[in-house]
Amino acid sequence: QSVLTQPPSVSAAPGQKVTISCSGSSSNIGNNYVSWYQQLPGTAPKLLIYDNNKRPSGIPDRFSGSKSGTSATLDITGLQTGDEADYYCGTWDSSLSVYVFGTGTKVTVL
Amino acid sequence: EVQLVESGGGLVQPGGSLRLSCAASGFTFSSYWMSWVRQAPGQGLQWVASIRQHGSEKYYVASVKGRFTISRDNAKNSLYLQMNSLRAEDTAVYYCAREGTTSHYFDYWGQGTLVTVSS
Repeated sequence: QSVLTQPPSVSAAPGQKVTISCSGSSSNIGNNYVSWYQQLPGTAPKLLIYDNNKRPSGIPDRFSGSKSGTSATLDITGLQTGDEADYYCGTWDSSLSVYVFGTGTKVTVL
Repeated sequence: EVQLVESGGGLVQPGGSLRLSCAASGFTFSSYWMSWVRQAPGQGLQWVASIRQHGSEKYYVASVKGRFTISRDNAKNSLYLQMNSLRAEDTAVYYCAREGTTSHYFDYWGQGTLVTVSS
């Protein structure tokens, strides 16, 4: 049972924007950096965002992250068919001394 | 180019053991925390264990404590996961992942190796 809650699915038309939320608590998101991962079907996860809002080299600026209190958000603008994937948030939980992932969100491009 | 290549997965009976390996290349292995993350069929990601650069600190998810052991050999640029007393619920693809340098996150992942626990 994950301690980080995400919506099971979000969808939008090509070119539109989707927002994925990640809700946690003071022991995880509230006091630690959040990262986001994209998992295309049948492939390994890929880092999209780290330290709440930083993008690794090669990740387009259509992907952006933010954090406020005990929640974090991933925005994807200019949605493309290639963005259809599962997205996970993740962070360290200081109380449990474990790394926790969100429940995952499936993005569908209509 | 950073590469992480897992091996050692397969079919094992409940109660059995398996040792996973991860061969790292393209970076200074001894400078990074390393981790194992797993994904059960059709399920989400679950962090399993992490190990500090020289092995002095190790962390485990509660469900594998006492059964799994993470280790590394920096001379061989290799990460390991010894899995004992395997259960059906350990069935998953196991990914080797490198941790980032500024906080806890995973910046590079291997392709994964499938572990199936079944009689």
